[in-house]
Amino acid sequence: DTEVTQTPKHLVMGMTNKKSLKCEQHMGHRAMYWYKQKAKKPPELMFVYSYEKLSINESVPSRFSPECPNSSLLNLHLHALQPEDSALYLCASSQESLARGSNTGELFFGEGSRLTVL
Amino acid sequence: SQQGEEDPQALSIQEGENATMNCSYKTSINNLQWYRQNSGRGLVHLILIRSNEREKHSGRLRVTLDTSKKSSSLLITASRAADTASYFCATAATGGFKTIFGAGTRLFVKA
Repeated sequence: DTEVTQTPKHLVMGMTNKKSLKCEQHMGHRAMYWYKQKAKKPPELMFVYSYEKLSINESVPSRFSPECPNSSLLNLHLHALQPEDSALYLCASSQESLARGSNTGELFFGEGSRLTVL
Repeated sequence: SQQGEEDPQALSIQEGENATMNCSYKTSINNLQWYRQNSGRGLVHLILIRSNEREKHSGRLRVTLDTSKKSSSLLITASRAADTASYFCATAATGGFKTIFGAGTRLFVKA
């Protein structure tokens, strides 16, 4: 199984709503990532978890709250978002290198959750 | 922050022609990767080249890496309409998880 599954595929929410994006992988990868991608732009790194611990937070606003409940699951909790947060949110996973603390290179991406904030 | 710049931003070619995309980056890297993204979909990993490699092939793909110029190129030979997509280079620094994507090249292959 080489899939990363993201739900929901589409999400529309108001600025006062609380919602969550979910990501799941069963490849035994111990590093998981959230990226944000605006139209015609490259993915921008938001968060990285390694062994269920937050390893990187790229100065993301606190209205985005990541959670890694176990090695297969990654959530992104959304609260009080702004219309400019509308984007494609991509989850990825990777193997960790033998030396730990870094990935082996290849990222496996899900199909993304397209978020629209009204 | 964005690590790499890619050119061209967009490329339109006929089926059967070769497509070349270039990527430049700014800092030392452990490896450089190329990904493909069909419109509105997830990214698919194409090929990885390590900092101690100069050239790598995979099917119709050929990647070169020049660490002295901090640049890489992706060549797709005998392109097909199905190759129409956005192509991104991505760099990973030594020791860490930070994989950063370049601006991307949008490739259109006309049948």
